[in-house]
Amino acid sequence: GENVEQHPSTLSVQEGDSAVIKCTYSDSASNYFPWYKQELGKGPQLIIDIRSNVGEKKDQRIAVTLNKTAKHFSLHITETQPEDSAVYFCAAIWGGGADGLTFGKGTHLIIQP
Amino acid sequence: GAGVSQSPRYKVAKRGQDVALRCDPISGHVSLFWYQQALGQGPEFLTYFQNEAQLDKSGLPSDRFFAERPEGSVSTLKIQRTQQEDSAVYLCASSRSGLAGENTGELFFGEGSRLTVL
Repeated sequence: GENVEQHPSTLSVQEGDSAVIKCTYSDSASNYFPWYKQELGKGPQLIIDIRSNVGEKKDQRIAVTLNKTAKHFSLHITETQPEDSAVYFCAAIWGGGADGLTFGKGTHLIIQP
Repeated sequence: GAGVSQSPRYKVAKRGQDVALRCDPISGHVSLFWYQQALGQGPEFLTYFQNEAQLDKSGLPSDRFFAERPEGSVSTLKIQRTQQEDSAVYLCASSRSGLAGENTGELFFGEGSRLTVL
């Protein structure tokens, strides 16, 4: 099965600075890599995703990069704002035929005012 | 409602009791997933349905866990003889995609059912 490692577990940045969260995966057959944001007491919500035929994708202040050779992908948030404070999870679909995601353990992002 | 609905939001059970957690997916979504999220951890896959068919139950931790989706819409996750280690948030998610082996596309999660076993 797939194994997803995520770092760091906690990240504190000043408001307005950039934040970067990194993930690695083990299954070279994985081909879909979403990022989810989870606020306290709520379910995860998709914020951006990337497929293995693309190296980078951007949506306003959020971008994701994928390096298939190295089997790692990263989330970049620029011009961070207080509402960006949350737990962020990376995930990957393993190539075993089922449609379930394997999640990383999460990064608690804290935006300091 | 427009989103995935889960009930109850909070459940306290005594060790040994049976519990049932309900998930109402987004109307028309073919795929339905159950995940278990322990405190401070990422969601862990439990089981997957495509319509009424349970295609993957490899993540269910023991035979005390059982899930069903008899009419291809609402799903119930049942835990028999609950143990303290079952305490977690149980998340349900649905997806429009229904093709096994294809990309799932966006998963829409409910807010979860928090189970506490005393």
